[in-house]
Amino acid sequence: DSGVTQTPKHLITATGQRVTLRCSPRSGDLSVYWYQQSLDQGLQFLIQYYNGEERAKGNILERFSAQQFPDLHSELNLSSLELGDSALYFCASTRTSGREVNEQFFGPGTRLTVL
Amino acid sequence: AQKVTQAQTEISVVEKEDVTLDCVYETRDTTYYLFWYKQPPSGELVFLIRRNSFDEQNEISGRYSWNFQKSTSSFNFTITASQVVDSAVYFCALRERNFGNEKLTFGTGTRLTIIP
Repeated sequence: DSGVTQTPKHLITATGQRVTLRCSPRSGDLSVYWYQQSLDQGLQFLIQYYNGEERAKGNILERFSAQQFPDLHSELNLSSLELGDSALYFCASTRTSGREVNEQFFGPGTRLTVL
Repeated sequence: AQKVTQAQTEISVVEKEDVTLDCVYETRDTTYYLFWYKQPPSGELVFLIRRNSFDEQNEISGRYSWNFQKSTSSFNFTITASQVVDSAVYFCALRERNFGNEKLTFGTGTRLTIIP
């Protein structure tokens, strides 16, 4: 158990809908990262937050957004869902950001299926 | 741009055999960080090791060992005396020293199957 929790574990929805994925980082971790794992794209970085502020953006679609709250949990919002958004979404966390490099610990993932 | 290549898509070995998973990376940074993660059938990503570019010492942890060769930009992973529980997809990942962008760039993974 990495200490990172994600809910829900599975999500099935229809095209055009909007969903919210939730992540609680390990206790004391300030950085939260979101990744998408799909069959055609592999594991892709989406976005990073550090202590409530956006730190870096990757291949995140405009239909997707995220935020990190004062209690450090994070939410990834996916809207106008398309079939191609079906994937496993991972959240990861590390204690720090910047010059000190730590390994990222991953949550169990949320499997999103868009029908 | 940074890139990680895991040329071996799938490997199958018989239990107790040794197996090496290859990882080749590309980066323009002189300081960078390499990682290996394991993804068992249950789906979670499990951290295995982190290696800094300025530390070329190889590492051994039980049946696992890692060979970092800066000259060939490779960071290979060897499992000795493989066991069925080692069956998983293994990912190599790279992080550059760009402190404004701390993403991990992953390879495409190697699916390892240990045959009992």
